[in-house]
Formats: sequence, C-alpha cells, structure tokens
Amino acid sequence: DQQVKQNSPSLSVQEGRISILNCDYTNSMFDYFLWYKKYPAEGPTFLISISSIKDKNEDGRFTVFLNKSAKHLSLHIVPSQPGDSAVYFCAAFSSNTGKLIFGQGTTLQVKP
Amino acid sequence: DAGVIQSPRHEVTEMGQEVTLRCKPISGHNSLFWYRQTMMRGLELLIYFNNNVPIDDSGMPEDRFSAKMPNASFSTLKIQPSEPRDSAVYFCASSLGRMGAKNIQYFGAGTRLSVL
Repeated sequence: DQQVKQNSPSLSVQEGRISILNCDYTNSMFDYFLWYKKYPAEGPTFLISISSIKDKNEDGRFTVFLNKSAKHLSLHIVPSQPGDSAVYFCAAFSSNTGKLIFGQGTTLQVKP
Repeated sequence: DAGVIQSPRHEVTEMGQEVTLRCKPISGHNSLFWYRQTMMRGLELLIYFNNNVPIDDSGMPEDRFSAKMPNASFSTLKIQPSEPRDSAVYFCASSLGRMGAKNIQYFGAGTRLSVL
C-alpha cells in the first residue's frame, strides 16, 4: 500500500527551463509535505516543505504547490541548473504517527 | 557540526552472518530514525527512537532485525542472520523533535549492505 507515489521514475530537462516533479498521496490526514534531494553516495537532504493548510510555498528557485482536493503536490524548479541533477523524494508527514512516508523518488537530469 | 555519521559505508557479508550497522546522530537531536532504501520499495522507515526509547518499530521486517539506542549519541541496527534479500542501502536520520515536520530529519550518507 503505497501512500505516497511518484509515478515518474525519471525526468530530463534543458538547463534554464522549468522542471516539474509530481507527487500523489492517498491519506488525507497528512499535515506536512516535504521534498528531499539526494545525490549519489549521499543521504537525502531537506529541500522545501509545505503545510497542509497552504497551497504554495516558495524558496528561491524552488516552489512547491499543494492541491488538497486532488491529493497532489508538485515541485517546480525555475530555472533548472545542471547542479539540480539528483533524485528527488516527496515525503508526507502525519502528526498522529510522527512518521515521514517517502515516495519512490524521481531522478532529474538537467542537461547543459 | 559533523552531521549524522554512519559506519561502515559499505558492508559485504555472506548469508547467515550477523551484520551490525552503526549511527551517531547530530549532537542535541533527540529523535533517531532508521530507513532502508531498495529499488522495489523506495525509502521505508524501519524504526524510530525518541529520547533513546523505541517509539514505533512496525517497519522492522522480521525478528531477524533489531535496533538499540543505548545512549543519545549512538544507535545500532543488527541483522541476524542476514539474507540476500536484506541487501539495500540503510540510512540513519536524526531530528530535534518527534512531532512536527518542522523538525527536519537530517540523514547520514548511508550504509550499502550486500549479502551474498
């Protein structure tokens, strides 16, 4: 039972263009949603988060959008840079359980 | 700050052997998490501790897996006996608190385990 799904295993974009990574979830009790970024041979690092009471959060080139009715969130990276090439994990947090549930990850490749 | 430190970085062992993975959380953090990453299941939570006490071990796959946190600066994840299907990357993470996603989890670099 996959509560958090990232249906696109990979994404390739040109440098300077927008990257859009998508994530769907099934549990309406999640309080926060987070994006983590992972480089090879390193652990995931926190990127940006959004509370379930908001629909948008922006931090520099990164913006996360939340559509609660559709149980969908997305991460926009504008403009994309080659250094953004990594695996991106969507994660959902429940205050009830104190657990963070991760999606499968999407590998982003930004071509120069 | 040195971050979350895991050892070893790589472990190759034979089926049936005992494996012990180690983690040192960030100083001052009072929650510690063990995750396993596989191609099939992605990143899954195995167990987490708060103030050295196990809070939820529902993700531990079998009795062959056990975890301890004898003090605030050290935790172990043990697999005995190990099996080839245990091959994965194991991550340890720590955070300042248990409740609230604003308590960001900081991950170690992981231990890549191969059981032959």
